[in-house]
Amino acid sequence: EPEVTQTPSHQVTQMGQEVILRCVPISNHLYFYWYRQILGQKVEFLVSFYNNEISEKSEIFDDQFSVERPDGSNFTLKIRSTKLEDSAMYFCASSEEVREISYEQYFGPGTRLTVT
Amino acid sequence: GQNIDQPTEMTATEGAIVQINCTYQTSGFNGLFWYQQHAGEAPTFLSYNVLDGLEEKGRFSSFLSRSKGYSYLLLKELQMKDSASYLCASMDSNYQLIWGAGTKLIIKP
Repeated sequence: EPEVTQTPSHQVTQMGQEVILRCVPISNHLYFYWYRQILGQKVEFLVSFYNNEISEKSEIFDDQFSVERPDGSNFTLKIRSTKLEDSAMYFCASSEEVREISYEQYFGPGTRLTVT
Repeated sequence: GQNIDQPTEMTATEGAIVQINCTYQTSGFNGLFWYQQHAGEAPTFLSYNVLDGLEEKGRFSSFLSRSKGYSYLLLKELQMKDSASYLCASMDSNYQLIWGAGTKLIIKP
């Protein structure tokens, strides 16, 4: 069964450093998402991406964040200068469609980011 | 504002039935989702309702009342592996998922 994959599973970085989290969505999916979940808290939407551009982003997704689809398979989230409060689990998700029946978002296993 | 409310924690007995309630207020509405999340793992899709009524899928059923801004997830014949957090999420007018904090379900033998 096709699945979303994410690398690395765990990333430790120092405050102020740049990190890139990588995701490979399911191959025939058209919509891609990043979410984060701070330990013990709710899942929070960061950004959605369609047709090689951001379609929606939340207030959390400020200038420190960017997303890119550098090739036909990878989807990346970059945090330019990490802060302690960026420590969280970051989930990538993809879906075939958003407005039609195939709305289900498939989540990757997540990358646990720890900023020290 | 946008808000999803669900109980923080529930306890049930193996073999029993449990209903997890969710109320939502979002800017626009494009459906109500339920996801299951085991500790340290990613959410996995359980159900989607966009029309009023009950959707049944095996041991799990989900109900929606749009006029009341209310949904529930019904789990039957509970198994120990059902111990997890159950996340209610509403899709708003921008097709963004707005998530509840999750209901931690504890199953006791």
